[in-house]
Amino acid sequence: DVKVTQSSRYLVKRTGEKVFLECVQDMDHENMFWYRQDPGLGLRLIYFSYDVKMKEKGDIPEGYSVSREKKERFSLILESASTNQTSMYLCAAVDQGRGRNQPQHFGDGTRLSIL
Amino acid sequence: ELKVEQNPLFLSMQEGKNYTIYCNYSTTSDRLYWYRQDPGKSLESLFVLLSNGAVKQEGRLMASLDTKARLSTLHITAAVHDLSATYFCAGGGPTGGSQGNLIFGKGTKLSVKP
Repeated sequence: DVKVTQSSRYLVKRTGEKVFLECVQDMDHENMFWYRQDPGLGLRLIYFSYDVKMKEKGDIPEGYSVSREKKERFSLILESASTNQTSMYLCAAVDQGRGRNQPQHFGDGTRLSIL
Repeated sequence: ELKVEQNPLFLSMQEGKNYTIYCNYSTTSDRLYWYRQDPGKSLESLFVLLSNGAVKQEGRLMASLDTKARLSTLHITAAVHDLSATYFCAGGGPTGGSQGNLIFGKGTKLSVKP
């Protein structure tokens, strides 16, 4: 089974801090995604990556950046955290090598609070 | 641009009853997914629907896809408490031809009461 691991379940940071959220997958999947989940808004795509050092903006990339130096690890960076970035963050991976229709596999999520 | 709308957003039902969750999408999407999320947990893939008329069933849940109507349904038969969760549908995104991007609906929070 695919395992997608997010480094923290809960995180509390202060406004203006630089915040790193880490995600690791164990199945050599090419494609990885970062979403944020807010009540009443569902999941919104922040960034995705389809290969090492490759990244594409999703629907709400403002205030975020990403890093993918190794295939198994995809990091989300909040350059200068703000209170409106308080949210649940979900990482996902999908194996496109088995066909483009495979479902995404999600990590457990990181609940981030910015004070 | 693909938009995905689910309804209802909240659903309270009694055990033993049947109900349907609807998922409408705005433009052509060649794949439709259903996920389940339990409180405090991650999303779990339930169904992948790839063609018009596709129907998949797992236990008390059955999903179908009508690409002409741009509609997918998730039907719940004889609900039990264990089905209480939030259900999301998601369609293939516009830029994701080969990248597996998905556009998610806002989710339907299902509560099954005795």
